Amino acid sequence: DAGVTQSPTHLIKTRGQHVTLRCSPISGHKSVSWYQQVLGQGPQFIFQYYEKEERGRGNFPDRFSARQFPNYSSELNVNALLLGDSALYLCASSLGGQGPYEQYFGPGTRLTVT
Amino acid sequence: GEDVEQSLFLSVREGDSSVINCTYTDSSSTYLYWYKQEPGAGLQLLTYIFSNMDMKQDQRLTVLLNKKDKHLSLRIADTQTGDSAIYFCADRPQDDKIIFGKGTRLHILP
Repeated sequence: DAGVTQSPTHLIKTRGQHVTLRCSPISGHKSVSWYQQVLGQGPQFIFQYYEKEERGRGNFPDRFSARQFPNYSSELNVNALLLGDSALYLCASSLGGQGPYEQYFGPGTRLTVT
Repeated sequence: GEDVEQSLFLSVREGDSSVINCTYTDSSSTYLYWYKQEPGAGLQLLTYIFSNMDMKQDQRLTVLLNKKDKHLSLRIADTQTGDSAIYFCADRPQDDKIIFGKGTRLHILP
C-alpha cells in the first residue's frame, strides 16, 4: 500500500509569490494535517481537515490556507511568500475521529523562498 | 499555553540503554507520542501512550508516563547505530492538533 505522498519534493520561490503544495493520504484515511518544520525545530501544526472540513488551525497568518477534496487529498496554499516561510512542509494522514489518532507522515515538501 | 520540552542532545554507547525525557504543560492531554526522524526523511510514529496509562512496552521501546509531573520518557534498550536519529515527543491536548517538542538528537558512540 502506498504511504502518504506529497508533491512537489522541492520548490524554490521568490518573495511575494504564491505556492500550492499537495498531499495524498493513505487509502482509507479521512483526516489530513499540515505541519511546518523549520530547520532545527519540531513540526508546527498549521491545519487539520477531517471529512473535508477544517477541524483545527494553528497560529499561522491568513496567508496560509488549505482545503480537502472529496477524495480526501489536500492542498496547502501560501500567499505573499516571505523568507521566513522557507521550511519543510509535512502532511500527515490518519483515520481521524476519536481514538489514538495515529498520524502517518509524508516525506515533505522542501520550500525555499529567496 | 501548550508546550512540550525536551533536551536537545543525548549521546549513548552502542549496546547501552537510551532514555529520552520530555515534559508537557497541558493537563487535558489525551495521548502522548514518540516520533523518530532520520536525516532527510519524514517522521515515523514509534509508539504512543494513552493518558490513563503509566507504562507501555513495545519490543525494545518502553514509554513511561508520570501524569502528575507531566513527564514522559522513552527508553530504547540495547541501542544500535540504526537508532541514531532525532526523537520528537508530541502531545495531543485537543482532538484537532498535536504539539511537538523541538526534538532530541540521539548520537550513538561506538
